[in-house]
Amino acid sequence: DTGVSQDPRHKITKRGQNVTFRCDPISEHNRLYWYRQTLGQGPEFLTYFQNEAQLEKSRLLSDRFSAERPKGSFSTLEIQRTEQGDSAMYLCASSLWGDEQFFGPGTRLTVL
Amino acid sequence: DAKTTQPNSMESNEEEPVHLPCNHSTISGTDYIHWYRQLPSQGPEYVIHGLTSNVNNRMASLAIAEDRKSSTLILHRATLRDAAVYYCILRDVDRGGADGLTFGKGTHLIIQP
Repeated sequence: DTGVSQDPRHKITKRGQNVTFRCDPISEHNRLYWYRQTLGQGPEFLTYFQNEAQLEKSRLLSDRFSAERPKGSFSTLEIQRTEQGDSAMYLCASSLWGDEQFFGPGTRLTVL
Repeated sequence: DAKTTQPNSMESNEEEPVHLPCNHSTISGTDYIHWYRQLPSQGPEYVIHGLTSNVNNRMASLAIAEDRKSSTLILHRATLRDAAVYYCILRDVDRGGADGLTFGKGTHLIIQP
């Protein structure tokens, strides 16, 4: 199965540390999305790439967050100086143009 | 963005049909109605979408009201594996999918054996 994969699946870190998550989309998909989901809530959109270009960023994406998609393949999401409020599930999705989005299993971040 | 309203939770019995409602009274003419679901401990997955006409696929049916201010996702014969949170989402076709999905809290569907 060549679905969307995310790594790591779980991350525990101390407040103030930097963390980086990776997402590998479905290979032919040109669009990649990042979402954040807290307990009991639906996912919230963070940012979106078309190929290697980051085309949209939510106001939720503070300046401590940065995302990249070099060469239009995998993507990374980095959070600098983590805060307890950053604890959430970080979901990645990919799509071919505007078609349905395929989601990965997510990375669960716990900030102590 | 146009908003959707869904019941917080619904309960149904296994092997019976389930009708999940969604209100979207401020829907615009270019908004598609999408449904995604999220099984426990998994990322969301696409279920179905439509614009005006009712739609069927292998997972479900989507019934859209004539005035498009509401829609209903129909699971014809629920199984325990259908227990999930179901999200009704509007997407503006004019954006060509160049935007993130706006999820609400969804409906938590409980299936009783």
